[in-house]
Amino acid sequence: DGGITQSPKYLFRKEGQNVTLSCEQNLNHDAMYWYRQDPGQGLRLIYYSQIVNDFQKGDIAEGYSVSREKKESFPLTVTSAQKNPTAFYLCASSTQGQVGTFGSGTRLTVV
Amino acid sequence: EDQVTQSPEALRLQEGESSSLNCSYTVSGLRGLFWYRQDPGKGPEFLFTLYSAGEEKEKERLKATLTKKESFLHITAPKPEDSATYLCAVNYGGATNKLIFGTGTLLAVQP
Repeated sequence: DGGITQSPKYLFRKEGQNVTLSCEQNLNHDAMYWYRQDPGQGLRLIYYSQIVNDFQKGDIAEGYSVSREKKESFPLTVTSAQKNPTAFYLCASSTQGQVGTFGSGTRLTVV
Repeated sequence: EDQVTQSPEALRLQEGESSSLNCSYTVSGLRGLFWYRQDPGKGPEFLFTLYSAGEEKEKERLKATLTKKESFLHITAPKPEDSATYLCAVNYGGATNKLIFGTGTLLAVQP
């Protein structure tokens, strides 16, 4: 079955540590997105990519980095510059004009 | 400012008690309004897309409608399994399929 796989489901980060969240899709979608979800707030866009080897900052890109070396993969790195990284991270993909499909999320906690 | 507002924040219904959720938006160049269902600890699941005022979509006990300024998600004779957070999002134009999300309505249906 086609879909989006996010891993790990739970991730713990120490202060000052970089961590990478994985997102893989087998839907053959061109566009991929990373959102952050916090209690009481709507999903906020971190980065998006419409094509391989190209990506753009979303509304809250500071402290995050991404790469898009393959169509299927769009990993997100949460760097030590992100001061409040504890959140639920969602990856999504879409084709032009179609609704995004979401992964099951990664919950990141700073310890 | 482009904005999506959902109300109420939380809604508790008895099984079989019909009601409606509201999503109001202030964006220019609406390219689509989307409804998602999100269960705890999971990614959003797509329900409906509406593109123009007057459009309606139905799926089982759910019916979504759209006007020029808002959308309603009507829930007819809900069951406990309809309990979830319902998210509204709008595609606000431009060259990308980016979405602005509301904060969601947490629906609890009691047996």
